[in-house]
Amino acid sequence: DQQVKQNSPSLSVQEGRISILNCDYTNSMFDYFLWYKKYPAEGPTFLISISSIKDKNEDGRFTVFLNKSAKHLSLHIVPSQPGDSAVYFCAASVYYGGSQGNLIFGKGTKLSVKP
Amino acid sequence: NAGVTQTPKFQVLKTGQSMTLQCAQDMNHEYMSWYRQDPGMGLRLIHYSVGAGITDQGEVPNGYNVSRSTTEDFPLRLLSAAPSQTSVYFCASSFRGLAKETQYFGPGTRLLVL
Repeated sequence: DQQVKQNSPSLSVQEGRISILNCDYTNSMFDYFLWYKKYPAEGPTFLISISSIKDKNEDGRFTVFLNKSAKHLSLHIVPSQPGDSAVYFCAASVYYGGSQGNLIFGKGTKLSVKP
Repeated sequence: NAGVTQTPKFQVLKTGQSMTLQCAQDMNHEYMSWYRQDPGMGLRLIHYSVGAGITDQGEVPNGYNVSRSTTEDFPLRLLSAAPSQTSVYFCASSFRGLAKETQYFGPGTRLLVL
């Protein structure tokens, strides 16, 4: 059973507009969420993260919003650029009081930003 | 720093053959892990290690073995390859493996089992 769900396999956006990528989760014990970006033939790279004690985290053009009651998070990219075209993975982790928490990844959303 | 390196980049195996996927990192990270990515699927954790001499199973460990004799290296062994192991394999590392720490991924090994 999938614990982290990205229900949109793909998203197409015009350059300069906002891109919104969504992610839902089922495990209420998740307390840390991350977004990774992946270009073809490369490994994923970390983009932005958010702790469950926050509802928003911003880094430049990228903002992640967390709605714990809805078990939903979203990644906003404003403005979108052609170089943002990639697959975006949502990931979640449970932090067991100091011990390591492995990441659970969603299936990814392929973002295409058109010039 | 080279970061996380993986070899080979691409490999073709016949069913039943064995091979080792190599992974090395030069960042002195304690935590290392192996993931596989299949079409339409996210990354799934195979095995991980929180330090030299310590390994544990992830979500999909069957058919794979690992060992961690040094901090730098974390090889993944396929003992008897099966077509279901056709996938792209990624190695990753971080300082202690805590969720709040960034995991650094290698470029991947694409494996085809015939």
